[in-house]
Amino acid sequence: AQSVSQHNHHVILSEAASLELGCNYSYGGTVNLFWYVQYPGQHLQLLLKYFSGDPLVKGIKGFEAEFIKSKFSFNLRKPSVQWSDTAEYFCAVNPRNTGNQFYFGTGTSLTVIP
Amino acid sequence: KAGVTQTPRYLIKTRGQQVTLSCSPISGHRSVSWYQQTPGQGLQFLFEYFSETQRNKGNFPGRFSGRQFSNSRSEMNVSTLELGDSALYLCASRDGGLSGANVLTFGAGSRLTVL
Repeated sequence: AQSVSQHNHHVILSEAASLELGCNYSYGGTVNLFWYVQYPGQHLQLLLKYFSGDPLVKGIKGFEAEFIKSKFSFNLRKPSVQWSDTAEYFCAVNPRNTGNQFYFGTGTSLTVIP
Repeated sequence: KAGVTQTPRYLIKTRGQQVTLSCSPISGHRSVSWYQQTPGQGLQFLFEYFSETQRNKGNFPGRFSGRQFSNSRSEMNVSTLELGDSALYLCASRDGGLSGANVLTFGAGSRLTVL
């Protein structure tokens, strides 16, 4: 079965620290990849997406993610986090040949301490 | 464009009751998907509707059902509620074509508490 693994369930960082959240998936074919963010009390929002081309994609608020096909990974990074980045982050995979199936990881809760 | 609208936002039910949740997608979007979000489980896919037809279904019991109307609005129904059904139910809409450019846009969710 397809699966998406987010290895870090809870991450606590101080402001200005660097962030990397891991995401691995098990599907072997061509995939679309996404990171969504859910700020406290708000709905899920798209942070960034990868469909094709440059494997390093940039999203909103200074986030970026790198697609490493050989490792089936799509890790999220930010060089310097802010208190306002406190949120839950979800990785999602959409295998191309399923068209409309999206598989989500269990999420990583990030707390940034001022 | 207006976003994805879900109603009601909060509701409390007791075991054995049933509940109906509503979702209005972004105008022009034909696909509506439903997810159950619980702490530690992430988002679990319930089903997807496209042009009034269920296109995919997740691994949930038959107590969970849905439908889509001709205006693309969707409802999901949970019958014979159990305590474990307490969750945030999310609706997501997208254009629905099979191109790789589709992105899910989520509503704020309906938070169901079963007592």
